[in-house]
Amino acid sequence: ETGVTQTPRHLVMGMTNKKSLKCEQHLGHNAMYWYKQSAKKPLELMFVYNFKEQTENNSVPSRFSPECPNSSHLFLHLHTLQPEDSALYLCASSQDPGTSVDNEQFFGPGTRLTVL
Amino acid sequence: GNSVTQMEGPVTLSEEAFLTINCTYTATGYPSLFWYVQYPGEGLQLLLKATKADDKGSNKGFEATYRKETTSFHLEKGSVQVSDSAVYFCALSDYGGSQGNLIFGKGTKLSVKP
Repeated sequence: ETGVTQTPRHLVMGMTNKKSLKCEQHLGHNAMYWYKQSAKKPLELMFVYNFKEQTENNSVPSRFSPECPNSSHLFLHLHTLQPEDSALYLCASSQDPGTSVDNEQFFGPGTRLTVL
Repeated sequence: GNSVTQMEGPVTLSEEAFLTINCTYTATGYPSLFWYVQYPGEGLQLLLKATKADDKGSNKGFEATYRKETTSFHLEKGSVQVSDSAVYFCALSDYGGSQGNLIFGKGTKLSVKP
């Protein structure tokens, strides 16, 4: 595997379910990100992890719970979601936003989530 | 705060037409500027970037020049192909802000007809 991978690619869940999205990067990066992409809205940054530490939580509801066990893996745990949470969830990684001049981010293919 | 504004889509062109997608930004300091592309069913890919004023980023026939005087980073291609159909995002690196995060425009959908 190369680059940034995400599983599953598609997920359908009910509002009472608990599920998790997984992201893995094979680039040796130190920072990882979760984004939400909804129809007709700008890409929304949700969480940032740098060296496994959460450095940003963009006022995301607590029904979304991130976990970063190491610099290569990032999870997004989902619990009691709402239909408006249906979107494409994108994971990205970058070398080190603390010192990188241009902070190029590399994206995974996304998980298309549908909440019924 | 920092922000990116790009032209509303969708944009529909015939093959071999000239493409311009406008992007302007508001930022303190000296951000880096990017164009990302998202093909149907995929995540975003970096198309090109520029890290300082007057730099020109280029890739796959696309170009954009970092214009500090007009705070712009317009994307251009001289002759588009059907395979260029995608959504294009302009972004800036909020390096002076929180951890160098990217701020994206809303995206412009391009459709190229044969």
